[in-house]
Amino acid sequence: GQQVMQIPQYQHVQEGEDFTTYCNSSTTLSNIQWYKQRPGGHPVFLIQLVKSGEVKKQKRLTFQFGEAKKNSSLHITATQTTDVGTYFCAGLAGGSYIPTFGRGTSLIVHP
Amino acid sequence: KAGVTQTPRYLIKTRGQQVTLSCSPISGHRSVSWYQQTPGQGLQFLFEYFSETQRNKGNFPGRFSGRQFSNSRSEMNVSTLELGDSALYLCASSLADRRSYEQYFGPGTRLTVT
Repeated sequence: GQQVMQIPQYQHVQEGEDFTTYCNSSTTLSNIQWYKQRPGGHPVFLIQLVKSGEVKKQKRLTFQFGEAKKNSSLHITATQTTDVGTYFCAGLAGGSYIPTFGRGTSLIVHP
Repeated sequence: KAGVTQTPRYLIKTRGQQVTLSCSPISGHRSVSWYQQTPGQGLQFLFEYFSETQRNKGNFPGRFSGRQFSNSRSEMNVSTLELGDSALYLCASSLADRRSYEQYFGPGTRLTVT
């Protein structure tokens, strides 16, 4: 079955440093979604990418979808303590309505 | 629009008992999915209901079941509880059509089995 791998599992950064998490799928995806879960909270939808090579920005967050639609990345510029949480990617294969979630990357920001 | 609601928020049960969790999706969303989240296994998909029919199912034993009502509200049942069933159970609703696949999660039900 489809697998979505996400690295790293944990990332410690000093406030102000950049952060990147990577997502790789074993199969070609029709789209990829990103979610953020704050400690003690629930996953919250951030964005969806559908086109090969697509790049989207949300303030300090930059999301990319690979040309082959098998990988994606989330980059945060100049992290802040409010960025703390676990970031999940979730990939949808063609014809499926249910995304396959990666294991997530937990971001810890040290002030 | 009101978000996804789940009840109860916390639950403590004993091994061997059964439990029913409830989820009310965002108005207009006909797809409801259930996930189990644990520190060791991450987010694992249980099943998805769409228009009262189970459309997708994950790799969980038959002790885990669900249903969806005509108003799209969904319930999940776990019978013969085991210690390993302790987890955060998340419900997510979605339009699940060609325009929008994103999932909107509820706050979850924290189940502890003792």
